[in-house]
Parts: sequence; structure tokens; C-alpha cells
Amino acid sequence: GAGVSQTPSNKVTEKGKYVELRCDPISGHTALYWYRQSLGQGPEFLIYFQGTGAADDSGLPNDRFFAVRPEGSVSTLKIQRTERGDSAVYLCASSSTQGEAFFGQGTRLTVV
Amino acid sequence: RKEVEQDPGPFNVPEGATVAFNCTYSNSASQSFFWYRQDCRKEPKLLMSVYSSGNEDGRFTAQLNRASQYISLLIRDSKLSDSATYLCVANSGGYQKVTFGTGTKLQVIP
Repeated sequence: GAGVSQTPSNKVTEKGKYVELRCDPISGHTALYWYRQSLGQGPEFLIYFQGTGAADDSGLPNDRFFAVRPEGSVSTLKIQRTERGDSAVYLCASSSTQGEAFFGQGTRLTVV
Repeated sequence: RKEVEQDPGPFNVPEGATVAFNCTYSNSASQSFFWYRQDCRKEPKLLMSVYSSGNEDGRFTAQLNRASQYISLLIRDSKLSDSATYLCVANSGGYQKVTFGTGTKLQVIP
């Protein structure tokens, strides 16, 4: 597609459940990022992929969070045993070698 | 110390005013810098890249000061539609990871 696509756009889940968030980056972009944004805050870095590998996962808050990008294109962010504090907008972005990152519209996750 | 720091604001300015935002970065190896704009409940969108020589795009001017490790954004003749949060971005030298500041909120008042 022309831009970064994220699905679902909204997700409501119960505390303790498992969720998967999907990101389809711009075709040809080798770099892919996941960010989390809470109300009134800037995007908080979670993980960065270069191709299929996670080049930097230092932003993942704990081991309940995991992300994959098996074929170097689509990525899935997985959250186990969700907690209310995980509620946020999860943003995905991709970039080419020039470094300008383009964002998807985000997935608004609400844990109830 | 945060990698990228910004004054969160809010900056409340009248229409037609000139307003400037600064942003500091801690990684001296950073090579690429950008300003993003984020409207309420929307994703960030690239406003402009920041080049060493400074660059201008209409009412917007971006500058980079490597010695002091800061970048700036100047908005002239502010419009109501400029009201948004402006995010400063720096990449980490050597590879493409980009780091965002927390953003500066601008409110242009009629």
C-alpha cells in the first residue's frame, strides 16, 4: 500500500488477555519501529527492526511484550497477560535509508 | 538525561506572531534531524527535515547547531491551523533508530 497500515485501529481487551497488533510498512522500507504513546506524551520507543532482526529492543517494558518481523515486511507486536497500564496508542513507523519515518494511524489499545 | 529534550509548553501565541521552539539532543553522533507535527489523536507526520545549513519551507525555518547540540523550529505569521504538538526527532548515529522528544504544544489564539 501507499502508507503504513496498522490493524486493528481499536482494540478493547480484558485484563490478562493476549493481544496482537499488526503493522504493514511502506513497501521497500527496511527499518520498522514500534512506539507507544500515552495521552499528553511523545511517542515512547519500544523496538526497532532492521530487516527481519530486532536491532534494538531496549524499549520493551518487560517480557510480556514481544515483536516479530519474520519476512522483513509485516510486523506483529504481541502483548501477553495485558494490564490496564498497557492501555495506549501503539504506533508503527517505517523508514528508508534517508531516515524519515512515516507512521501508521496507530492501534488504540484499551485494557479493561 | 533524555536523548532528545523539548520544552513541553504549551506555547500560547496570537495569530500572526512568530514563535520558536528549541530541542536538545545528547548523542553527538546523531546525523539526521527532523521536526514532526502531531494533531490531537492523530499520528505524527513529518513537517520538515533539518539540514546543517538550515532550511526554510514557507513560514517554517529549521536550524541545526551541532556545537551546542540543539535544533530549532521557527514559525512566522502563525495561523490557527498551526495549533498542534511539534515533535523533535534525532537519529542515533550509525544506524536508523530515531528518537522522539516528548513534544512542544502550540496553541495559536485568534
